[in-house]
This record gives sequence, C-alpha cells and structure tokens, in this order.
Amino acid sequence: GESVGLHLPTLSVQEGDNSIINCAYSNSASDYFIWYKQESGKGPQFIIDIRSNMDKRQGQRVTVLLNKTVKHLSLQIAATQPGDSAVYFCAVDFGNEKLTFGTGTRLTIIP
Amino acid sequence: DTAVSQTPKYLVTQMGNDKSIKCEQNLGHDTMYWYKQDSKKFLKIMFSYNNKELIINETVPNRFSPKSPDKAHLNLHINSLELGDSAVYFCASSHRGYEQYFGPGTRLTVT
Repeated sequence: GESVGLHLPTLSVQEGDNSIINCAYSNSASDYFIWYKQESGKGPQFIIDIRSNMDKRQGQRVTVLLNKTVKHLSLQIAATQPGDSAVYFCAVDFGNEKLTFGTGTRLTIIP
Repeated sequence: DTAVSQTPKYLVTQMGNDKSIKCEQNLGHDTMYWYKQDSKKFLKIMFSYNNKELIINETVPNRFSPKSPDKAHLNLHINSLELGDSAVYFCASSHRGYEQYFGPGTRLTVT
C-alpha cells in the first residue's frame, strides 16, 4: 500500500544550527511532494514543494531534497530560529489526487 | 484577509448530537478538502470536492456528510456524534494538483 513515514518523531537542534528532517515514501510512482509546518494550535502551513522531475529545490532558509532511487525526501532548515519550533510533516501525492501525510517530526530549537 | 477560515474554532457537544462545521476560502481555488487530525497528530483526508463535485470519499462513516454549496464553501455535517469523533478537523483548499492551504482547525470534543 501507499505509506509515508518520518524517520524521527522528535528532533532538537541548537539555535543557529542547521536541521534536517527526513521522510520515506513507499510508491516510486509518486510525483508531488510537500513539506508542511504546524505550530501549536494552528493548521499546517505550506513550506515548500517539489515535483518528481527535480532533485532539489530551495526556498528562504529551506531546501528540499528528493532521492527517487531510495524513495527519500528531506527538509533542510538553515540557521534555525526559535520560530522554527513546530511539527513538520511531509506529504506525498501518490497520483490519486490526495495527499498522504507522514506522522510528523517535532522540531525543538534550543536557545 | 483570511485565506481559509473555519467556524467554530472549538466545539464541545454530547454524544448523539448533530453538529456542523463551516469552511470558506477566498483564494479562488477549485478544490476543497476535509481532514481529521487525531490526538497523535496524524492527518488523514476525509473528503475532497472539486468544483462542487465529490472526488475523494475515504472510508468515513456515513454519519459524516460534506456539502459544497459553491466553490468557496465546504461544510461538514456530523450526525449522532460519538466519542471517537473527538479530534481536530481541518479544511483545506487548492488548485487541483497544487499545494493545499489549510484553515486554523476546529477542535471537536464529544463528551
């Protein structure tokens, strides 16, 4: 079946350091991948997306890397700030017009 | 200038009651969704409408009935509420095939 999993349920990073959150998916036919950030009491907020014809995409302080060979997706956050503390979800479109979400990684930035 | 809005934000009700959650988006998107997030933060799609037409209907009890009066609105009606319905419900919208934008969520507590 189609599944999405995150490697670590929690991650703590010192403020100013870089963080990497990893995600694995099951279906090699997947063609659209999104990272969301969810702060406490709020809805998921779009961070960055990538389609399967790309390996890397950069935003402001964030980079998404896609390795289709091993079906792995990662989100890199540079120079982390306290406001980056949140739960991060990867979501995958398996080609059936719906997003399947991973279980989330809680990122804590230590001041 | 809220993009995706939901009402109410909190809903506390007793088992057996019927309740509705409303959702509106002003982004001009053609597709709207309902998700359920459980206590472990797992996000699962329930329904999706495109141009007022139901396109995704996951395995959800038929006590849940979505209604889309127009492209900008997708309401969720729940009959005969049960304890297991307690969760946070998120509405989202998108252009079909692109990133989804989420509302702030409705925390439903069934007692």
